[in-house]
Amino acid sequence: NAGVTQTPKFRILKIGQSMTLQCTQDMNHNYMYWYRQDPGMGLKLIYYSVGAGITDKGEVPNGYNVSRSTTEDFPLRLELAAPSQTSVYFCASSPRQGRAGELFFGEGSRLTVL
Amino acid sequence: QKEVEQNSGPLSVPEGAIASLNCTYSDRGSQSFFWYRQYSGKSPELIMFIYSNGDKEDGRFTAQLNKASQYVSLLIRDSQPSDSATYLCAAPAGGTSYGKLTFGQGTILTVHP
Repeated sequence: NAGVTQTPKFRILKIGQSMTLQCTQDMNHNYMYWYRQDPGMGLKLIYYSVGAGITDKGEVPNGYNVSRSTTEDFPLRLELAAPSQTSVYFCASSPRQGRAGELFFGEGSRLTVL
Repeated sequence: QKEVEQNSGPLSVPEGAIASLNCTYSDRGSQSFFWYRQYSGKSPELIMFIYSNGDKEDGRFTAQLNKASQYVSLLIRDSQPSDSATYLCAAPAGGTSYGKLTFGQGTILTVHP
């Protein structure tokens, strides 16, 4: 049981480049989330999804896009990367029936934009 | 005002002492609160949650909630070096019932031998 898997773990981008952070979970969780964490800060919600085909913006969605075509996958797309997007990105999931607020996190993807 | 705020830290305590971590929140409608622990370079993991006023104990950890004062705390008794980590307080954003959380900025705890 792998849980939540994110790829890549590390990536360096040049300003203006685009990329996709991949996230997949094998726990059949309905809810999935993308958070970013800047140094010395808590996590901020970028986008979330309550099920396949349904996504919504979180607190800091600008510069990102998501899709949820299957229950398992929730990729995060960065368009026209900017230095402000340098951060650690965490994908997480939670079940429909379960303890509200209990998130299962992936290992994180560290992104640097130069 | 930030919705969830952790003002204390970084915090350094000797091994065996009680570590006290604090969190305040602005949304009076918040019903539940969560404490996540994050080791350096790792992802957060849930260690405690509390829904009701008062104390909730789980092993060496005690969560305390005071809704009148809008205050949540986490006490770690008999602190161990392995407790050294960043502790994140979180509450559901917008009164949601699932994992759409608002996190505080975290408190770095160091337990020294």
